[in-house]
Amino acid sequence: KQEVTQIPAALSVPEGENLVLNCSFTDSAIYNLQWFRQDPGKGLTSLLLIQSSQREQTSGRLNASLDKSSGRSTLYIAASQPGDSATYLCAAHPMDSNYQLIWGAGTKLIIKP
Amino acid sequence: EAQVTQNPRYLITVTGKKLTVTCSQNMNHEYMSWYRQDPGLGLRQIYYSMNVEVTDKGDVPEGYKVSRKEKRNFPLILESPSPNQTSLYFCASSLTYGTGYTFGSGTRLTVV
Repeated sequence: KQEVTQIPAALSVPEGENLVLNCSFTDSAIYNLQWFRQDPGKGLTSLLLIQSSQREQTSGRLNASLDKSSGRSTLYIAASQPGDSATYLCAAHPMDSNYQLIWGAGTKLIIKP
Repeated sequence: EAQVTQNPRYLITVTGKKLTVTCSQNMNHEYMSWYRQDPGLGLRQIYYSMNVEVTDKGDVPEGYKVSRKEKRNFPLILESPSPNQTSLYFCASSLTYGTGYTFGSGTRLTVV
């Protein structure tokens, strides 16, 4: 059964640093992997979607990569800002899931001014 | 604007009083789903619908009902809410299988 793990659970960095959030999954048979952002008590905002045939996707200061062979995805945030503080979740869409996403527990990111 | 709209955003109710949380999407998506999010347990799927009149159970369907009479709407019904259904609920939609998901802003439900 697919499992998704995010490490670290929490991360605190000074403003301006580049950083990498990690997401690993146990089964490479996925349709896609999606990264989301969640602010405290708020909804889920989709950041990037990487299809299984793609290696990476970029949106502004965000870059997400996907390596199915190693079961890893990374979210790279360039020039971090205090407004980037949030919990970041990754979710894998397994091929045998009947539409269900498998979620990581999230990384809580704090950007210090 | 393409979006998934949930209502209400916040709801406090008493045990046993039936309630409905509405969900509507304006993107002509085939697939819709409900999740609940609880501290330490993450996001868990309650029900999903692959198209009109087609619904199926997710991981935690007990105590919930859904219907999909129209493509755009997917209400979540709690016939007799209990305190263990206090949670943050999300509705999501997807164009079809294997495409990305759009989530609503969430409904924070408290059952006392």
